[in-house]
Amino acid sequence: DGGITQSPKYLFRKEGQNVTLSCEQNLNHDAMYWYRQDPGQGLRLIYYSQIVNDFQKGDIAEGYSVSREKKESFPLTVTSAQKNPTAFYLCASSMARGGQPQHFGDGTRLSIL
Amino acid sequence: EDQVTQSPEALRLQEGESSSLNCSYTVSGLRGLFWYRQDPGKGPEFLFTLYSAGEEKEKERLKATLTKKESFLHITAPKPEDSATYLCAVQSAGGGADGLTFGKGTHLIIQP
Repeated sequence: DGGITQSPKYLFRKEGQNVTLSCEQNLNHDAMYWYRQDPGQGLRLIYYSQIVNDFQKGDIAEGYSVSREKKESFPLTVTSAQKNPTAFYLCASSMARGGQPQHFGDGTRLSIL
Repeated sequence: EDQVTQSPEALRLQEGESSSLNCSYTVSGLRGLFWYRQDPGKGPEFLFTLYSAGEEKEKERLKATLTKKESFLHITAPKPEDSATYLCAVQSAGGGADGLTFGKGTHLIIQP
C-alpha cells in the first residue's frame, strides 16, 4: 500500500540534544512538508520541499533543519536551538501542483526529558 | 496573510442528529480548500478538496460546500464512528505546491 511512514512514533530529547525525525513516502510525490501541531492550535508549517535538493522555510522554521537528498525522504532535525520542541510532528506529501491535497503520516510525538 | 477560523470548537450530537461545521477563510486567491478528519494520535485523513464557490462534494454521511468566504461540512445522521476532529485548510494562489494554512479544528462527539 502506498503511504507515508513516520518514525519513531515517540521520541524523547535531552536538553542540548539534536534529534532527527524520519519521513518516507512511496506515493511518488514530488512535494513534501513538515508541520507541527500543539494542543488547541492548528497545524503550522515548518519546512516544505517541492523538488529534490531544494526546500523552503515555512512559518516557524527557527530551530529546525531539513534535507531532501531523495524524492522519497524528507527528514526533520529538531536542534537544540528550538526551545519549545514538545509537540506532535506531522509529515505530508502531495503532487507538486497547486491545489492538490496533502496526505499525512501518523506523526511523531516529541517530548523533553 | 491567509486565515482560517473554524466553529464551533467542539460539538456534541446524539446519533442521528444532523448538523454543520463552519470554516471561514481569508485568502489572497483561493487555490483550494481542504477538509480533513483527524483521530486522536493519528495524522489527518484527507476528505475533500473544493476549488470554487458553489462547488459541493459528498462522501457517505458528509457533504462539503463552498462560498467565497466560508465552507460548511454537513453531517447527516451521524454515527458514533464519525466522532473525530475535523480540520479545514486553505492554499492560496502562489507558485506551485505551497503549504496549507489550517484552522484549529472542530472536535465532534457523536453519542449513541
